[in-house]
Amino acid sequence: DAGVIQSPRHEVTEMGQEVTLRCKPISGHNSLFWYRQTMMRGLELLIYFNNNVPIDDSGMPEDRFSAKMPNASFSTLKIQPSEPRDSAVYFCASSLGGAGNEQFFGPGTRLTVL
Amino acid sequence: GESVGLHLPTLSVQEGDNSIINCAYSNSASDYFIWYKQESGKGPQFIIDIRSNMDKRQGQRVTVLLNKTVKHLSLQIAATQPGDSAVYFCAENNYNYGQNFVFGPGTRLSVLP
Repeated sequence: DAGVIQSPRHEVTEMGQEVTLRCKPISGHNSLFWYRQTMMRGLELLIYFNNNVPIDDSGMPEDRFSAKMPNASFSTLKIQPSEPRDSAVYFCASSLGGAGNEQFFGPGTRLTVL
Repeated sequence: GESVGLHLPTLSVQEGDNSIINCAYSNSASDYFIWYKQESGKGPQFIIDIRSNMDKRQGQRVTVLLNKTVKHLSLQIAATQPGDSAVYFCAENNYNYGQNFVFGPGTRLSVLP
């Protein structure tokens, strides 16, 4: 079975550029999560969708970050404009049910902003 | 995935020995806990979970112990193998309040030959 799919796996961009990260959750899962992992802050939840609707975006750092889930099989996380401090590994995870159920993580996107 | 934490706690064990990884959680109202394993270059992977109405749960080579009195969780790995080398995270959740999982900082397990 295909797990959570993320693309790209690696992204290197320059400060000020727009970055779009993509995620395909496991088929049938109705909850999707975006996390950011850094050396300093560990794993942080950015936003959580349930049935394609954003439920909790309190972890989104600032207006430069936005996330969409136009359908059950696709989500994007966009950073515009990007800054060096956005450099991190961004994980997408999905689960069946709500936030309290086991989450299956994708391989992550390593973002480097120069 | 990147490894987490310049100051990540590290546990080194000899291959074949048992490992015990500890986690102190923060919310006394948390009622569901998961241990995740993250290998280098990969996302976290579910190992075992436990609900607050239990104090022990066993899986294959792994056991999770929960002490709600002191808000402490531990993961025991029996007969540790080189493939167990990874960063291990505990995550807590209060399902009744629909809260999201909060992840601990992680512990790096190194298995020595």
